[in-house]
Amino acid sequence: QKEVEQNSGPLSVPEGAIASLNCTYSDRVSQSFFWYRQYSGKSPELIMSIYSNGDKEDGRFTAQLNKASQYVSLLIRDSQPSDSATYLCAVNGDGRTGGFKTIFGAGTRLFVKA
Amino acid sequence: DAMVIQNPRYQVTQFGKPVTLSCSQTLNHNVMYWYQQKSSQAPKLLFHYYDKDFNNEADTPDNFQSRRPNTSFCFLDIRSPGLGDAAMYLCATSRASPGLAVTDTQYFGPGTRLTVL
Repeated sequence: QKEVEQNSGPLSVPEGAIASLNCTYSDRVSQSFFWYRQYSGKSPELIMSIYSNGDKEDGRFTAQLNKASQYVSLLIRDSQPSDSATYLCAVNGDGRTGGFKTIFGAGTRLFVKA
Repeated sequence: DAMVIQNPRYQVTQFGKPVTLSCSQTLNHNVMYWYQQKSSQAPKLLFHYYDKDFNNEADTPDNFQSRRPNTSFCFLDIRSPGLGDAAMYLCATSRASPGLAVTDTQYFGPGTRLTVL
């Protein structure tokens, strides 16, 4: 059973701090990794995608991938109250063997205190 | 703007009364997905279409069916809704090619909140 594990939280950080969200996955053939943000009652929206080992930065967001450790993380710098949401880690398999399915983690709830 | 549209946004049905949820997309993506998401849980994949090829998840109940009459539309039919089927139903699309080492981002519609009375 392919799994994606996240700490459910809640993770509480003060405004302006760095929020660090972590995710591990079990399928070694996984190729694509995504972070989605989901506000309560809304659908997930893409924050970051990452495909190669290392860091990828986009504005206040940095995704980090370590395939050897099967670990992916998301850093949010200068956290704002509007960042308060559930963050879903998602992992895609190799399209040749794993189909086109995405496996989602259950999400980490983030609260940014003003 | 290209997007994924779901109708209705809110659906109330009675126990056992069939219901159909619809999804349309203007992205021209070849893969469409249906997810069920309950409160504080991960989205659970029910099935997906790669073009016209239907892929059912092993643990998706027979009560759930899907149709994709063309590239742009996909429907989720719940033949006899039970109380446990109350959830948010999410449609998503992506672009994929066989033999591709990576698969593209999924784009989600706004979801349909289903209530079963």
